[in-house]
Amino acid sequence: EIVLTQSPGILSLSPGERATLSCRASQSVYNNYLAWYQQKPGQAPRLLIYDASSRATAISDRFSGSGSGTDFTLTISRLEPEDFAVYYCQQYGTSPALTFGGGTKVEIK
Amino acid sequence: QVHLQESGPGLVKPSETLSLTCGVSGYSISSGYYWGWIRQPPGKGLEWIGSIYHSGNTYYDPSLKSRVTISIDTSKNQFSLKLSSVTAADTAVYYCARHPHSMIRGVEMVFWFDPWGQGTLVTVSS
Repeated sequence: EIVLTQSPGILSLSPGERATLSCRASQSVYNNYLAWYQQKPGQAPRLLIYDASSRATAISDRFSGSGSGTDFTLTISRLEPEDFAVYYCQQYGTSPALTFGGGTKVEIK
Repeated sequence: QVHLQESGPGLVKPSETLSLTCGVSGYSISSGYYWGWIRQPPGKGLEWIGSIYHSGNTYYDPSLKSRVTISIDTSKNQFSLKLSSVTAADTAVYYCARHPHSMIRGVEMVFWFDPWGQGTLVTVSS
């Protein structure tokens, strides 16, 4: 099983700042099969990025994904008030065994 | 627009079976895609439970496989989750979601989840 470790656990930033979130895998993720989700309180997760760097439909270009192998990054170029949330990564390279990271909370500083 | 909605009891007694249904509208579940269940204990992260195709083919997380059954009813455009012998550790928000799949080098793979249902809280307590 691939274990995904997200860091930092909490990221305190101000609106307008750049956010860089990390997702590290315990072994290489096949074909960079990694997705990112955003979850706001009381809501279901929303797909942001798939295949490590492809934006999902209707997702702002403020969000970008990068990385390969074991190290992946979600970047939010300029934080808007609605971007403060929890972000999860998910790998599907060992599909059908699917795993999620523990999440990173982006909070207002 | 695809819409998923979970339904079922919000309270289940320990040792009993948790049963949930996910109704799908705006898309025929027979048209493709896998359909999955994911859960989230209060204040914690996400855990994949399992997924099903309209043919009935299923995949389960190994840690839950012995207790989980996912079934599909194409005539009602819905799929269901049963989790047996529940304990307090099974208390969580349960989500259903759609996910794409493909054959990669002769191996079937399932991918990301999109969209998700709103989720339903199931509490295990006597």
